[in-house]
Amino acid sequence: GENVEQHPSTLSVQEGDSAVIKCTYSDSASNYFPWYKQELGKGPQLIIDIRSNVGEKKDQRIAVTLNKTAKHFSLHITETQPEDSAVYFCAAHAGKSTFGDGTTLTVKP
Amino acid sequence: NAGVTQTPKFQVLKTGQSMTLQCAQDMNHEYMSWYRQDPGMGLRLIHYSVGAGITDQGEVPNGYNVSRSTTEDFPLRLLSAAPSQTSVYFCASSYLEGPGGYTFGSGTRLTVV
Repeated sequence: GENVEQHPSTLSVQEGDSAVIKCTYSDSASNYFPWYKQELGKGPQLIIDIRSNVGEKKDQRIAVTLNKTAKHFSLHITETQPEDSAVYFCAAHAGKSTFGDGTTLTVKP
Repeated sequence: NAGVTQTPKFQVLKTGQSMTLQCAQDMNHEYMSWYRQDPGMGLRLIHYSVGAGITDQGEVPNGYNVSRSTTEDFPLRLLSAAPSQTSVYFCASSYLEGPGGYTFGSGTRLTVV
C-alpha cells in the first residue's frame, strides 16, 4: 500500500517568515495530493490540493509543488501569521487517501 | 449544509463495554471513512465505504465494525472496548469521482478506562 512520509514533525518560524513542509510518497498510482490544516480541537480542513498533471498551484499565501518523478510534494506558506499555527497534514490519494504523520507549525509573533 | 456530523463529541467507556459512534453527511458523498488520530501517529484508516452496502477494512480494523445501509450514515461500532482504543475518531466523506478532498467531522474523543 501507499506510504507517506512528512517532514519536519515540528516547525517554528517568526511571523512574516516562510514555512515549508515536505512529503514523499511511494505509490506511483497516487494522482491527487491534498493538504489539510487542523486547528486545536477541530477536524482537519482541506486548504489546497494538486493533481498529478500539475506541477505547481498557488492560492494567496500558500502554494504546493509536485515532483512526480521524485515522488515528493511540498507545501509553502509565505508571510506567515500567528493564525497559521496549526497541525498540517499531507496526503497521497490512490482510490483513498493515505496521510502523513503531520507537522505542528508554530508562528511566533 | 451541516456537512459531516459526528456524535457524541466526548465519551468515556469502561473496558469491555460496547458503543456506536455516529457519522452522518448531507452532501450525497459516495465515499465515507473512519480514522483514528493518536499523538505522533497521524490519521490511520479504520474502515471505509464507497457506497451503500459496501464496506472494506483499512489499516487498523481490529475491534471495530461498520455498516452502510444508507448513503448518509456510516456508524462505527466498538464491540468490546479496550484501553488501546482510547483515541480521537474522525469521520470523513467525499465524492468518488474527481478525486477530491475529504470533508471531516469535528471528531469524537473516546477514553476507555
